[in-house]
Amino acid sequence: DTGVSQNPRHKITKRGQNVTFRCDPISEHNRLYWYRQTLGQGPEFLTYFQNEAQLEKSRLLSDRFSAERPKGSFSTLEIQRTEQGDSAMYLCASSLVSGYRTEAFFGQGTRLTVV
Amino acid sequence: AQSVTQLGSHVSVSEGALVLLRCNYSSSVPPYLFWYVQYPNQGLQLLLKYTSAATLVKGINGFEAEFKKSETSFHLTKPSAHMSDAAEYFCAVSGPQAGTALIFGKGTTLSVSS
Repeated sequence: DTGVSQNPRHKITKRGQNVTFRCDPISEHNRLYWYRQTLGQGPEFLTYFQNEAQLEKSRLLSDRFSAERPKGSFSTLEIQRTEQGDSAMYLCASSLVSGYRTEAFFGQGTRLTVV
Repeated sequence: AQSVTQLGSHVSVSEGALVLLRCNYSSSVPPYLFWYVQYPNQGLQLLLKYTSAATLVKGINGFEAEFKKSETSFHLTKPSAHMSDAAEYFCAVSGPQAGTALIFGKGTTLSVSS
């Protein structure tokens, strides 16, 4: 088990372009979360999945953002028509929710820079 | 709504000194509470968690935290700081069900000097 894997680690894109990030969770984990972290701030929740179902979306997740988790395995986060304000670290986490077991394990993140 | 306040955006200690990072939470339901550590350009690593069992929680790297319901606090401590403890620390809350999304504080940067 290699932990939560995110690709790419870094992405530089021009304003207005679309970008897609991928997250591979720990294999037996049933929940997958996306967070966004800007410089000097704590991570902010975007959305999460229970298996393939998207259970909750934050108001931060504008119409330009979409996330999927087909077949309940890996997940993708797409940002359409990127804006400079989208520049941030995008973190993925996964957890196995069972009884009191609830800790989320984080990937190393994808750093997005919109120029 | 749940929220977390971390008092002090930057804490500086000498190597060997006590580390105290403060966290207060707001929650209308019994919370799950967590401390995570983040090194530069890395993801977050779980230090410890409170899930309504023991109020004094021991974590990795010699850290521990005490849940105090009357003070709505979950402060992180370590008796003796090491240079390798220098990092960003985040307190987070979730609940009421296990596995709901984490709400993070803004973080505290810990600096350790020799």
